Amino acid sequence: EVQLVESGGGLVQTGGSLRLSCAASGFTFSSFNMNWVRQAPGKGLEWVSYISSSGTTTYYADSVKGRFIISRDNAKNSVSLQVNSLRAEDTAVYYCATEYSNWFDPWGQGTLVTVSS
Amino acid sequence: DIQMTQSPSSVSASVGDRVTITCRASQGIASWLGWYQQKPGKAPKLLIYDATSLQSGVPSRFSGSGSGTDFTLTISSLQPEDFATYYCQQAKSFPITFGQGTRLEIK
Repeated sequence: EVQLVESGGGLVQTGGSLRLSCAASGFTFSSFNMNWVRQAPGKGLEWVSYISSSGTTTYYADSVKGRFIISRDNAKNSVSLQVNSLRAEDTAVYYCATEYSNWFDPWGQGTLVTVSS
Repeated sequence: DIQMTQSPSSVSASVGDRVTITCRASQGIASWLGWYQQKPGKAPKLLIYDATSLQSGVPSRFSGSGSGTDFTLTISSLQPEDFATYYCQQAKSFPITFGQGTRLEIK
């Protein structure tokens, strides 16, 4: 069964940092590009970051560029998102998603990041 | 950046109704358009990819059409499990962008 499981979310103060992780199983992880997508409470979906299957290419939304860093470990079937200099507007559920033929499928269950002053 | 605009933002319908949701891109995206369904507290689920292709396991009452800048998602006969929020997404270029969502409610 294909599965993505996120972890690492929590309550953090403004300016703080967290490391979000996504553990993959049930597919050849090293063959697929991965993404992070977030959803603020009661709001829509916002793409955050992309990493290629080899890890050599990364992209970021302007809203997080310079503060977030995406990485992956193909030996451990995991992708991570280091989130730094957190702001109130970063409060959201963060989903990892496999990019299958350009589309996000499947998604993990999400991990909640709450930034509080 | 490519802006994606969905309409309506919300719609009320009854079981058995036919419902159409539209999505407009701010520039041409060929067929680089996907549709997702999200239920409360759950992750989104891919329904339609490449504008018109039905994802495996998705009921045939869901269909997608369009190319270029204008796209539609149609549910031919609403079932109780279809009441959810629907998002379009463009995969033409980074940054990847989503529409603001259409909430489908029970009338």
